[in-house]
This record gives sequence, structure tokens and C-alpha cells, in this order.
Amino acid sequence: QPVLTQSSSASASLGSSVKLTCTLSSGHSSYIIAWHQQQPGKAPRYLMKVEGSGSCNKGSGVPDRFSGSASGADRYLTISNLQSDDEADYYCETWDSRVFGGGTKLTVL
Amino acid sequence: EVQLVESGGGLVQPGGSLRLSCAASGFTFSSYWMSWVRQAPGKGLEWVANIKQDGSETYYVDSVKGRFTISRDNAKNSLYLQMNSLRDEDTAVYYCAMRITMIEWWGQGTLVTVSS
Repeated sequence: QPVLTQSSSASASLGSSVKLTCTLSSGHSSYIIAWHQQQPGKAPRYLMKVEGSGSCNKGSGVPDRFSGSASGADRYLTISNLQSDDEADYYCETWDSRVFGGGTKLTVL
Repeated sequence: EVQLVESGGGLVQPGGSLRLSCAASGFTFSSYWMSWVRQAPGKGLEWVANIKQDGSETYYVDSVKGRFTISRDNAKNSLYLQMNSLRDEDTAVYYCAMRITMIEWWGQGTLVTVSS
């Protein structure tokens, strides 16, 4: 089964951009992944699906500031014009929802 | 609007049982795979179980096989998780989720605490 690897933390300044990475394990580089945001004390929220081609499909109401891309086994979530409420944990998911990455805690400075 | 509302969580002793429910609305429940995902305090997300649209296929994480049972009642737009032989390590917030190819909607979660 695939494994998803995420950095444990990231930080960026208010109004800047940040690119979070989710890496698929060897042999699984073609897999589609999904990104989810979990603000402190809240349930997760689906953001988008990202395919190996870089094509992405965003969820309802997700701002245009959030975008996805891909390169090889890496899947990216880019957040531009960072806002304070973007401070959250971000998780990637794959393989019929059976696998989650460890999550990246994003701090907005 | 899609809504998923979990209920049934609470405090239970080790070895005890609990049944979680998830009431779904705002979409054609019988058309979608459904999942349970849990989150232990201060930890990340962990998939627990999946069920096919008609209930004919179910899948579980190894740590709950033989103890947990996922089921659904499409007539009642409801998803369930029967949890038996509960252990301390089952303590978590349990989320109900609707899947297309990936999870696209989450419930608000219900807290299960296993403790003596």
C-alpha cells in the first residue's frame, strides 16, 4: 500500500505564499491524492483532489487562493495571499481514503 | 447542502461497546461510498472503515478488524459503526465522511473515550 510523507511543520508570513508537499512512496507516483484542511478545534474540510498530471478539482467554496499541482511523486498545495485563518493542519489522503499523511502544521507569522 | 451529523460517542470502559451513528442529508446517500475516520487526541487522521453504496463490501484498518463493524441503512440515510471490545487506544474523535473517489465531505465528529 502507498505511504504519504508530509513535513511536520511549515511557516510563512501573512500575505505571502506557501507550498506544502505530500510525497507518494515508490511505485505509487501515479496516485491521485486529496488535500484536507483542519483548523484548530474543527473537523477537517476537503480542499481539492490533485492528479499526477497536475490537474485538480476543488471542493465547494474553496477560495481561488488555494491551488494544487504535481511533479513526479510529489503533490503540492499552494496557498497564496496567506490569511490568519489559513493557520491549520493540512493532510493528504489517497488509496480509497485508507491512507493519510502525517499532516503539516502551518503557522502564519 | 451536504450534512453529516454523528452521534453516539461517550465514555466507555475498556472491553465495552458503543454504537456510533451518522445521519446524512443533502445528497443521495445510497449513491456513495462512506467512511469512518478517527483522530486520537493531538494526533493525525486515521482511516477506520469503508462501506460500499449497497453495503456489499466493507474494509477495515487492521487494528479494528474483528472488533468494529461498519453498516448502513439507505432507507434511513444513516451510517453506523458498532464498536466492541474497546481499548484505550480507540479513544478518539470519530468522523463520518462521504467519499466520491476521495473524501469530499466530513461530519463534525463525535468523541469516544475509553477509560476505566
